[in-house]
Amino acid sequence: GAVVSQHPSRVICKSGTSVKIECRSLDFQATTMFWYRQFPKQSLMLMATSNEGSKATYEQGVEKDKFLINHASLTLSTLTVTSAHPEDSSFYICSARVADTNIQGKWKTQYFGPGTRLLVL
Amino acid sequence: RKEVEQDPGPFNVPEGATVAFNCTYSNSASQSFFWYRQDCRKEPKLLMSVYSSGNEDGRFTAQLNRASQYISLLIRDSKLSDSATYLCVVNVYGGSQGNLIFGKGTKLSVKP
Repeated sequence: GAVVSQHPSRVICKSGTSVKIECRSLDFQATTMFWYRQFPKQSLMLMATSNEGSKATYEQGVEKDKFLINHASLTLSTLTVTSAHPEDSSFYICSARVADTNIQGKWKTQYFGPGTRLLVL
Repeated sequence: RKEVEQDPGPFNVPEGATVAFNCTYSNSASQSFFWYRQDCRKEPKLLMSVYSSGNEDGRFTAQLNRASQYISLLIRDSKLSDSATYLCVVNVYGGSQGNLIFGKGTKLSVKP
């Protein structure tokens, strides 16, 4: 249980295009999902917190108009990198936090998706 | 000072060795602490939570010293499959794994 999927796993795009990444919790509900970015040999950095039914909360230095987040349901959050540039090339990882108090021992535990590698040419 | 600091390594050890990783955190209001494991080009996976009293899970032992703001992970009887990057992770907002701050990780390579 507690599986999180991301799609696509890898994407290569031209500079200036937009890329959408999906994060799904497959067997649990997640009112909160988190989007991270990891550059080579660097730590994971939280970009934003995605809240179901409301606006995302962005970390300082992350442009909300460039990284659009939508959390339309309890199992899906999307991150759209708009007008991507080569410096946006990175490993994007989402995580989903268990919302259901009935899942014994797992409430509020955060599970990570497998990540999406974005390469902008 | 970085929020979570770790020795990047690499730690190169033979199978069967005991190896210890250390981590320091800067925010004294940090509430919960974890060790994650990240394999090359993969997502991080929770290895274990770290409790004030110290806790053990098989070959893995974690310790927390709040006064010194220091966390450790001890791996006994290293296996080849233990080769990975170990991430020290701190939650500064309270609750269970709310908003996580990741260290850069310590790379471990276990050799035959």
